[in-house]
Amino acid sequence: SQKIEQNSEALNIQEGKTATLTCNYTNYSPAYLQWYRQDPGRGPVFLLLIRENEKEKRKERLKVTFDTTLKQSLFHITASQPADSATYLCALFSGNTPLVFGKGTRLSVIA
Amino acid sequence: DAGVTQSPTHLIKTRGQQVTLRCSPKSGHDTVSWYQQALGQGPQFIFQYYEEEERQRGNFPDRFSGHQFPNYSSELNVNALLLGDSALYLCASSLGVAGYYNEQFFGPGTRLTVL
Repeated sequence: SQKIEQNSEALNIQEGKTATLTCNYTNYSPAYLQWYRQDPGRGPVFLLLIRENEKEKRKERLKVTFDTTLKQSLFHITASQPADSATYLCALFSGNTPLVFGKGTRLSVIA
Repeated sequence: DAGVTQSPTHLIKTRGQQVTLRCSPKSGHDTVSWYQQALGQGPQFIFQYYEEEERQRGNFPDRFSGHQFPNYSSELNVNALLLGDSALYLCASSLGVAGYYNEQFFGPGTRLTVL
C-alpha cells in the first residue's frame, strides 16, 4: 500500500538558521510531491510541486529536493524567520490517484 | 477575487444527525475536492467533483455524499453522524481534472463537532 511519513511531529530552530523537513514515501511510481503550509485554523496553502524527474526546485527561500532512490523529499527554508512558524505538509499522488497527505511537521522558529 | 469560501465556519451536531457543508470554489475553477482533517493529522481525501459528477472517491463510507451544482459550488452531506466524524472539513478547488498537477486552493474549513 502507499504510505507517506513525515518523521518529525515538531521542529524548533533559531531564527536565521535553515529548517529541514523530511517526507518519506513508499509505493508511488511515478511520484509527484507537493508541499503545503498550514497555519492554525486555516486551510493548507500550496507551496511547491516537484516531479520525480526533477531533483531540486526552488522558490524564494524555499528549496525542495526529491530522491527517488531513497524515496524521500527534503524541504528546506533558508534564513528562517518567526513568520515561517507553521505546520508543513507533504502530499503525494501518482497519475490520477487521489492526493494523500502526511501528518505534517510543526515548525517553530524562535527569535 | 474571492478565494474558496466555506460555510458554516463552525457547527455542533449530535450523534445520528445529518449535516450539510457548503463550498464555493475560487473564481474560474471547476473542480472541487473535499477533505477531512482530524486534529493532529493531515487532510484525508473524501471525494472530488467535476462537471457535476463524482470523479474520485477516497476510503469513506456511503454516509458521506456530495453534490456539485452548475455554478461549480459544492455540498458535502454526512448522514448518521458519529463522534469520530468530528473534524475540520476542507474544500479545495482547482482547474480541470489534470490530476493534482494544477494548484489546489483550500478554503478555511468548517469545524464540525459531534456530541
